[in-house]
Amino acid sequence: LAKTTQPISMDSYEGQEVNITCSHNNIATNDYITWYQQFPSQGPRFIIQGYKTKVTNEVASLFIPADRKSSTLSLPRVSLSDTAVYYCLVDDGELTGGGNKLTFGTGTQLKVEL
Amino acid sequence: DAMVIQNPRYQVTQFGKPVTLSCSQTLNHNVMYWYQQKSSQAPKLLFHYYDKDFNNEADTPDNFQSRRPNTSFCFLDIRSPGLGDAAMYLCATSQTRTGGFQPQHFGDGTRLSIL
Repeated sequence: LAKTTQPISMDSYEGQEVNITCSHNNIATNDYITWYQQFPSQGPRFIIQGYKTKVTNEVASLFIPADRKSSTLSLPRVSLSDTAVYYCLVDDGELTGGGNKLTFGTGTQLKVEL
Repeated sequence: DAMVIQNPRYQVTQFGKPVTLSCSQTLNHNVMYWYQQKSSQAPKLLFHYYDKDFNNEADTPDNFQSRRPNTSFCFLDIRSPGLGDAAMYLCATSQTRTGGFQPQHFGDGTRLSIL
């Protein structure tokens, strides 16, 4: 069962780029790396997913080195509204009867200030 | 445009009094999940439905049950809530796709308080 390790908290200022690194040393060949964002009193929201190299969407970039034992979520030019908990997850594979199991780690509390 | 809707957003019940939380979806996804999230902790999967097939996590207490009468709705029943069951309960959905990634779509949760 792949587990993830990420910093408990990070602080940043508006307009800066934020990079959150996650370690997943025991990632399996078929596992994807997924990041979710959660605001207080809301459900987690899918941000980005990748398998290897680099993935970019309108919200973030995800960098995955060749050995896939870590990944870095990059948030360009953060604003106050990016203050949230960011979870790095490794897809544990299919559940019995379909679906996929998400095992959430501790997450990283990102605080963005003026 | 809400896709996964949970009602109510806040629920208060008494110790030992059965309570039902509801979830509906407009995504027509075939998998629905229930997670429990306690204060300052990560969400933890309780069980999931693949279509009508119910799948329980091994460590989910018997006190928690679920029903899925149709594709759109799923209910979480707590038969005898204890103080330790106070938490945010999150519903999520996904669509099974062979060999592909399946992002889960979460509702905003129901925060359950036990008096």
